[in-house]
Amino acid sequence: AQKVTQAQTEISVVEKEDVTLDCVYETRDTTYYLFWYKQPPSGELVFLIRRNSFDEQNEISGRYSWNFQKSTSSFNFTITASQVVDSAVYFCALIITGGGNKLTFGTGTQLKVEL
Amino acid sequence: GAGVSQSPSNKVTEKGKDVELRCDPISGHTALYWYRQSLGQGLEFLIYFQGNSAPDKSGLPSDRFSAERTGGSVSTLTIQRTQQEDSAVYLCASSSSAGASTDTQYFGPGTRLTVL
Repeated sequence: AQKVTQAQTEISVVEKEDVTLDCVYETRDTTYYLFWYKQPPSGELVFLIRRNSFDEQNEISGRYSWNFQKSTSSFNFTITASQVVDSAVYFCALIITGGGNKLTFGTGTQLKVEL
Repeated sequence: GAGVSQSPSNKVTEKGKDVELRCDPISGHTALYWYRQSLGQGLEFLIYFQGNSAPDKSGLPSDRFSAERTGGSVSTLTIQRTQQEDSAVYLCASSSSAGASTDTQYFGPGTRLTVL
């Protein structure tokens, strides 16, 4: 069975600080995809990124960057120069090929960015 | 284009009543999913529809839960004889799957169900 662990329940930072959200996953499959979603107070899950298990290149999109390391089964998410609008719950998720199309989510990390 | 839409946004019902939750996927998306988000259980998969194939119902928590998808588009999740533990946010997602199991799922705003 698959499992995603987000050990950080809540993180508080001051605006402009950098913050890293941790994600550790478990799967026996060699082919899988990892995702990050953002859930702002409005409640809708917003897709941020998707990464397949064969692509370990890090990715940067504006202030967001992702570090995928298969050796440690981690897919961490860094926000540079955080802003109040980044305040949300962030979910890491995993899906395996042939796994019935089910996303396995972590428990989420509540990020609070304060002025 | 328009995203996934769900209705109602909020539903309050009395224990024992039946409820229907609706999901309109992104136009052209062939795959549709229901998830439940509750404080105690986090985000859980409920059911998955892909085209005309038989749905994957493996996540439905009891036989009081059922779902259908008419015409390959709109889906309705029905909960019969609601219980207080059914209180949660029910999220619908869709993906433009042509058969790939790993296409990105795009979520709707959810329906918050409260069972009194």
